[in-house]
Amino acid sequence: DQQVKQNSPSLSVQEGRISILNCDYTNSMFDYFLWYKKYPAEGPTFLISISSIKDKNEDGRFTVFLNKSAKHLSLHIVPSQPGDSAVYFCAASARGRETSGSRLTFGEGTQLTVNP
Amino acid sequence: ETGVTQTPRHLVMGMTNKKSLKCEQHLGHNAMYWYKQSAKKPLELMFVYSLEERVENNSVPSRFSPECPNSSHLFLHLHTLQPEDSALYLCASSFTRNYGEQFFGPGTRLTVL
Repeated sequence: DQQVKQNSPSLSVQEGRISILNCDYTNSMFDYFLWYKKYPAEGPTFLISISSIKDKNEDGRFTVFLNKSAKHLSLHIVPSQPGDSAVYFCAASARGRETSGSRLTFGEGTQLTVNP
Repeated sequence: ETGVTQTPRHLVMGMTNKKSLKCEQHLGHNAMYWYKQSAKKPLELMFVYSLEERVENNSVPSRFSPECPNSSHLFLHLHTLQPEDSALYLCASSFTRNYGEQFFGPGTRLTVL
């Protein structure tokens, strides 16, 4: 039972245009969501996050939108740059014991390719 | 060294070998994690250590044995692995609070022959 799903394994966009990566979740206990970016031969790096009390969070070229009723979130990158080409993972977390660390459930990832 | 480091970066082992993966974090975190990433699959959480105590073990086979001697170091001991255990093994660390971002190492690419 996969609780976080990224249904598009790949996405290709032109440089300068908008990239939209999507993520769906099923567990209504999730209340914090993150996006990670991964280049080949490197570990995932944290990109941006959003709490369930918000519906939008923006950081430079990156904006994450959360639609709680649809259990859907998306990452917008605008303008897209060739250096953004990477695998993007969506992750979700639910509140647990304060001392037990964060618990992240990941999606399968979407390979974004930005063409010059 | 900064961030989260992992050694070795690549490992090839036979099914009868015993090897260990090492992770070290330089971020002052007090929770550490092992993940497995197989091709076309999401990252799978294997083990969580918080405040040096194992707090989660996601039904991982006993041929994987974690060790966390202190808050900066994490090991994954491997013995009698199977070819299907070939994957990228990622270490991560975070603070022990809810919603803390996890910081990942570069991973160890493991191949079991």
